[in-house]
Amino acid sequence: KQEVTQIPAALSVPEGENLVLNCSFTDSAIYNLQWFRQDPGKGLTSLLLIQSSQREQTSGRLNASLDKSSGRSTLYIAASQPGDSATYLCAVLHRPLVFGKGTRLSVIA
Amino acid sequence: DTGVSQNPRHKITKRGQNVTFRCDPISEHNRLYWYRQTLGQGPEFLTYFQNEAQLEKSRLLSDRFSAERPKGSFSTLEIQRTEQGDSAMYLCASSPGTSGTSSEQFFGPGTRLTVL
Repeated sequence: KQEVTQIPAALSVPEGENLVLNCSFTDSAIYNLQWFRQDPGKGLTSLLLIQSSQREQTSGRLNASLDKSSGRSTLYIAASQPGDSATYLCAVLHRPLVFGKGTRLSVIA
Repeated sequence: DTGVSQNPRHKITKRGQNVTFRCDPISEHNRLYWYRQTLGQGPEFLTYFQNEAQLEKSRLLSDRFSAERPKGSFSTLEIQRTEQGDSAMYLCASSPGTSGTSSEQFFGPGTRLTVL
């Protein structure tokens, strides 16, 4: 059974800091990996999709990497802003999409 | 707005009542998914459709739950004889296809169910 773990569960950083969120999964037979953002009480917003054949994807200040063989992905956020405060969820497409519990990020102005 | 939409956004019901939620996916997306999310947890898969065919159901989907996508467009999720444990956010997502970038899932705002 595929299990997805996200570390840390919560993170508080000062504005402007670069940060890394970690995601690990137990079964490397995945089709892709998706990072989402979720604001309190809201739905999920897709941030980045990394296909199983890719090693990284970038969008603006976000960069996600994938190491399928070791079952790991990282989401790098550059120059964090208070507006980045949210819960970040990692999910692997493994028939079906399996989510981690998320990392709750607070960026302090 | 061309994103995934869900109605209602909030539903409060008494234990034992039936409730129905609706999801309208992004136009021309063949795949439609239902998830359930409880506080502090990531979403958990319930079921998905390829066009009008329901292809997979999670063991979380008890016989009180039923989902339909009659014409391959919108979908409904019905919960019969609701229980307090059904209280959760119910999320709908859609994707264009199954491989490569077309497997990217786009989520709606969710329906928050509270069972009293």
